[in-house]
Amino acid sequence: QQQVKQSPQSLIVQKGGISIINCAYENTAFDYFPWYQQFPGKGPALLIAIRPDVSEKKEGRFTISFNKSAKQFSLHIMDSQPGDSATYFCAASTNTGTASKLTFGTGTRLQVTL
Amino acid sequence: DGGITQSPKYLFRKEGQNVTLSCEQNLNHDAMYWYRQDPGQGLRLIYYSQIVNDFQKGDIAEGYSVSREKKESFPLTVTSAQKNPTAFYLCASRRYGYGYTFGSGTRLTVV
Repeated sequence: QQQVKQSPQSLIVQKGGISIINCAYENTAFDYFPWYQQFPGKGPALLIAIRPDVSEKKEGRFTISFNKSAKQFSLHIMDSQPGDSATYFCAASTNTGTASKLTFGTGTRLQVTL
Repeated sequence: DGGITQSPKYLFRKEGQNVTLSCEQNLNHDAMYWYRQDPGQGLRLIYYSQIVNDFQKGDIAEGYSVSREKKESFPLTVTSAQKNPTAFYLCASRRYGYGYTFGSGTRLTVV
């Protein structure tokens, strides 16, 4: 049972454009929503994260938008650069003891072209 | 510098052989995790441990075993019962309430 659905599976964006990746979740107990960036042959690295008490969080060119009522959140990459070409994973978790493990989306492969 | 060290980076397993992947962290994180990554399937949870001497099965634990004798270490053994072990294995640790820190992974190949 997939609790976090991610789309699109792949994305091609021109340099300078906006990349948008969407995720939807089912478990209303989720209260922590991170995004990870992974380059080939490397482990994922935490990019940005949000908690449901805010609707948007921005760090540099990366922004998370969060819609609690729709149970959706998205990553926006402004002024996309070739160096942003990577696979991006959304995730969600609760902070409750034994259940505090992240559930990941299936990933989006982003390619930024010149 | 604090972080997670996975070794080896590449590992080759013969049919019927058990192999152990190492994961060490110096972040003082209580929780540690093992994930398997196959192309197009994202990250799937194998085992996780919240505290020393305790661990729980994840979604795909069959054919794998773990131990957590020290807070810093969480080795994963891929047993001969795992019929399709070729994959990229990722270890992670977590500070309670925050995101994971991942290691750089071990690529296991059956020869």
